[in-house]
Amino acid sequence: GDSVTQMEGPVTLSEEAFLTINCTYTATGYPSLFWYVQYPGEGLQLLLKATKADDKGSNKGFEATYRKETTSFHLEKGSVQVSDSAVYFCALSSVGNEKLTFGTGTRLTIIP
Amino acid sequence: EAGVVQSPRYKIIEKKQPVAFWCNPISGHNTLYWYLQNLGQGPELLIRYENEEAVDDSQLPKDRFSAERLKGVDSTLKIQPAELGDSAVYLCASSLAGLAGDEQFFGPGTRLTVL
Repeated sequence: GDSVTQMEGPVTLSEEAFLTINCTYTATGYPSLFWYVQYPGEGLQLLLKATKADDKGSNKGFEATYRKETTSFHLEKGSVQVSDSAVYFCALSSVGNEKLTFGTGTRLTIIP
Repeated sequence: EAGVVQSPRYKIIEKKQPVAFWCNPISGHNTLYWYLQNLGQGPELLIRYENEEAVDDSQLPKDRFSAERLKGVDSTLKIQPAELGDSAVYLCASSLAGLAGDEQFFGPGTRLTVL
């Protein structure tokens, strides 16, 4: 079945540091890939997505590229801010199985 | 545009008691999802509706859980009787057409504590 393996957390970085959160997946067919974010006290919200191989999703300075050859969708940001502190979830959805399958989440804390 | 609405936000009950959660999706969204999120884990699907039809309930523990989406809009998820292991956050989400690439919009969740 479909599964998502996400980088273990928590992750603590200084402001303006470079961020990478690793995500790999297993799926039949060609899934759509997502990063969702949960800020403190708020609900899950979509950060970015990519629906086919080599697509790059981007939003709020975050980027992730759909890599079919390595079954990966790593999240990156060049310079993190304190306001980026949140829990980040990698997820996928496949045709014929249109639910979101989530990773375990990575808690990111940015210190000034 | 109003988001996904859930109530209550918090619920504390004794084990073996019944409990119900309510969800109102974004207007016009045909697909509604109920997810269960245990502490430190990602959400897991319980049930998915297309309009009023449950099209994926394979992960719903049907001995104690039930759900309905009358008229294809609001939905209710019920647990009877609740067990200690049911303590978790119950999330409702909706999407426009339920396609694999569609964004799902999540409500704030109901945090259930079973004592």
